[in-house]
Amino acid sequence: DSGVTQTPKHLITATGQRVTLRCSPRSGDLSVYWYQQSLDQGLQFLIQYYNGEERAKGNILERFSAQQFPDLHSELNLSSLELGDSALYFCASSYERGGTDTQYFGPGTRLTVL
Amino acid sequence: AQKVTQAQTEISVVEKEDVTLDCVYETRDTTYYLFWYKQPPSGELVFLIRRNSFDEQNEISGRYSWNFQKSTSSFNFTITASQVVDSAVYFCALSEAGNFGNEKLTFGTGTRLTIIP
Repeated sequence: DSGVTQTPKHLITATGQRVTLRCSPRSGDLSVYWYQQSLDQGLQFLIQYYNGEERAKGNILERFSAQQFPDLHSELNLSSLELGDSALYFCASSYERGGTDTQYFGPGTRLTVL
Repeated sequence: AQKVTQAQTEISVVEKEDVTLDCVYETRDTTYYLFWYKQPPSGELVFLIRRNSFDEQNEISGRYSWNFQKSTSSFNFTITASQVVDSAVYFCALSEAGNFGNEKLTFGTGTRLTIIP
């Protein structure tokens, strides 16, 4: 158990819908990262937050957004869902904002868009 | 731009055999970090090791060992006396620590390892 929690574990929805994925980092960790794992794109970085502020953006679609709250949990919002958004979404956390710290991953949320 | 290549898509070995998973990376930074993660069939990503660019010492942890060679930009992972529980997808990843805001992990495509009992 990495100490990172993600809810829900599974999510099935329809095209055009909006969903919210939730992540709670390890106790004391300030950085939260979101990654998407799909069959065609592999594991890709989406976005990073550090202590409530956005720090880096990767291949995140405009239909997707995220935030980190004062209690450091984070939410990833996916809207106008398409079939191609079906994937495993991981949240990771680390203590420091630099690359010196290891990112520990949550169990992931498997999103299926029908 | 940073890149990680895992040329071996799938490997199958018989239990108790040794197996080496290859990882080759590209980066222009002098300060960077390399990682291996394991993804068992249950789907989670499990951290195995982190190595920084200034430490080329090989590391051994039980049946696992890692060989880091900057000269060939490789960070290979060996499992000795493999067990069925080692069956998983293994990912090599790179993080460029030198630039603030660039701590993201760049992953390779993974190697699916199957240990045959």
